[in-house]
Amino acid sequence: DVKVTQSSRYLVKRTGEKVFLECVQDMDHENMFWYRQDPGLGLRLIYFSYDVKMKEKGDIPEGYSVSREKKERFSLILESASTNQTSMYLCASSFGDRAYNEQFFGPGTRLTVL
Amino acid sequence: AQKITQTQPGMFVQEKEAVTLDCTYDTSDQSYGLFWYKQPSSGEMIFLIYQGSYDEQNATEGRYSLNFQKARKSANLVISASQLGDSAMYFCAMGSGTASKLTFGTGTRLQVTL
Repeated sequence: DVKVTQSSRYLVKRTGEKVFLECVQDMDHENMFWYRQDPGLGLRLIYFSYDVKMKEKGDIPEGYSVSREKKERFSLILESASTNQTSMYLCASSFGDRAYNEQFFGPGTRLTVL
Repeated sequence: AQKITQTQPGMFVQEKEAVTLDCTYDTSDQSYGLFWYKQPSSGEMIFLIYQGSYDEQNATEGRYSLNFQKARKSANLVISASQLGDSAMYFCAMGSGTASKLTFGTGTRLQVTL
C-alpha cells in the first residue's frame, strides 16, 4: 500500500515564525504536491514537484516555498507565518509515467497561526 | 484554464437509497481525466473512481459509478445503496495537459440518514 505521511496532524505557530511541513512517501513516486484546503474553496494547489530539486508554482504560491532534496520527501515552508495561512495542508504524490495518475494523499496537517 | 464546478454544497440521502453528486467541468483539452475523492471527517482523501475522456464506457467501482456525459461536460458520481459510512465530503477533480496536476471542485458534503 502506498503511504504518504505528514510530520504533524496539528500545529500551532505564532505570526512571523518560520514553519516547516514535511511530507514523505514510500512508493518511489516522481510527483509530489502541496495543497491547502479551506471551507467552501476546496483544495488549491500551492506547489508541486515532478523530480528531485524541481518545483513548479501552483495556483496560490505566495507566502510559501518548497524543497525537494530527496525523491521521497517534499517540504513546504512558510517563511513568515501569517494568520491567513491558518488552514488544512494536504500533501499528495503520484507516479509520473503518464498524465492523470491517481494522487495519493497524506492525513493532512491542520495549521493554526496565532 | 481548467475549472470544476460542484453546485451542491450539501446533500442528504436515506440509507440504502441511491444518490447522485453533480460535477461539471470546463477544459479546452481533448484529453483529460476525471476523478472522485472521498474525505471522511478524519481528513484523509480517498480515491474512489476515475474516468478518462476517451473511455467509451462509464467507470464503475463497486457501489460507485461515474455518469460521464462528454457533450454536457458532466461527470456525476452515483453511489448506490448508501451506507452510513458514506457520510463524508466528496470532491470531483480533473487532470489535463501533461503536468499531472489536478484541479479540484469545492466539494459536496453528503450526509446519510437512517
